[in-house]
Amino acid sequence: AQTVTQSQPEMSVQEAETVTLSCTYDTSENNYYLFWYKQPPSRQMILVIRQEAYKQQNATENRFSVNFQKAAKSFSLKISDSQLGDTAMYFCAFMSYNNNDMRFGAGTRLTVKP
Amino acid sequence: IAGITQAPTSQILAAGRRMTLRCTQDMRHNAMYWYRQDLGLGLRLIHYSNTAGTTGKGEVPDGYSVSRANTDDFPLTLASAVPSQTSVYFCASSENSEMNTEAFFGQGTRLTVV
Repeated sequence: AQTVTQSQPEMSVQEAETVTLSCTYDTSENNYYLFWYKQPPSRQMILVIRQEAYKQQNATENRFSVNFQKAAKSFSLKISDSQLGDTAMYFCAFMSYNNNDMRFGAGTRLTVKP
Repeated sequence: IAGITQAPTSQILAAGRRMTLRCTQDMRHNAMYWYRQDLGLGLRLIHYSNTAGTTGKGEVPDGYSVSRANTDDFPLTLASAVPSQTSVYFCASSENSEMNTEAFFGQGTRLTVV
């Protein structure tokens, strides 16, 4: 079964600065999807960004971008120009292309300081 | 409003009692999931279903059962609740397609077993 590891339980960043959250995963599959989800205090899970494993180009969504290293099985999230509203738990997730099995990491609690 | 709905929002349950958490989606997604979220452990997959009529075990299936009689509903049953099942439970659904793969989440059910 796939495993997802987030090695940073907590991180903080100053408003307007850049921060990178780490994620590694383990799989024997070649086709899969990777995600970063945000969970604010409201508890709602919100998709931040998605990456298809077959695409070499790193995904970008406004201030959010990823560094996808397939050979290293690494999928980090970079948040540029951090805003107070970015304060949340961030979860990295892996979805198998073959059977929809979706696994999450333990999460990183990000605090953006004014 | 399209989306995924869980009920109840929260529940206090006596140990040994039977409980069914309800989950309904109106997006006609094939895949559905149940996760539990615990501090420091992230979201752990309990059971999933790739399509109506099929179910599969996730990381932590013991003590839980599911059914998928139709596309829209995916109830999770605790046959005899124990305190270690105190958690926040999330239901999710996804449509694994080339153009749009994303898991949509319900608002969560906070369950306390006493």
